[in-house]
Amino acid sequence: AQTVTQSQPEMSVQEAETVTLSCTYDTSESNYYLFWYKQPPSRQMILVIRQEAYKQQNATENRFSVNFQKAAKSFSLKISDSQLGDTAMYFCVFMGNNDMRFGAGTRLTVKP
Amino acid sequence: DTEVTQTPKHLVMGMTNKKSLKCEQHMGHRAMYWYKQKAKKPPELMFVYSYEKLSINESVPSRFSPECPNSSLLNLHLHALQPEDSALYLCASSPRQGEPYGYTFGSGTRLTVV
Repeated sequence: AQTVTQSQPEMSVQEAETVTLSCTYDTSESNYYLFWYKQPPSRQMILVIRQEAYKQQNATENRFSVNFQKAAKSFSLKISDSQLGDTAMYFCVFMGNNDMRFGAGTRLTVKP
Repeated sequence: DTEVTQTPKHLVMGMTNKKSLKCEQHMGHRAMYWYKQKAKKPPELMFVYSYEKLSINESVPSRFSPECPNSSLLNLHLHALQPEDSALYLCASSPRQGEPYGYTFGSGTRLTVV
């Protein structure tokens, strides 16, 4: 079974600064996908970024980028130029042969 | 239409009531999911429907009864719930089960059992 570990329950960052959220996972599968989802107070789960395990290039989406280290089974999310609207719960998600499995989440607060 | 719509947004029910949660999408997705999320916890998978057939039931108590009447609609029928069933219930969909493009989630139904 695969597990997803987010070791930072809470983090905070000043507006316009950069923050990195950590995620590690454990799996025996060779082909899989990783995601970061954010869940703001509005409750809706929103896809932030997606990474295919067979791609060495790290995914980027505007201010969001990942550092994917396959051998280390690490998948961190970097948010640049943080904005107040980035305040949310962030979930690291693993998807292998079955459905999606979520990490415990990191609550990020962006301070003005 | 790129949304998953869940109704109602909030629901308060007694332990003897029968109620239903509704989830609708018009993106042509053929996989739909129910998740349960307790406060400050990640979502937990309950059910998966693929092409309107129940594909996965994660050992959910029988007081939760899912139904997929057509490819756009997913219901969750609730009966004789317990206070510990109070949670946010999220619906999601994807083009196919197992396709790795991520899921589209609804905003959830906040359920309180009294």
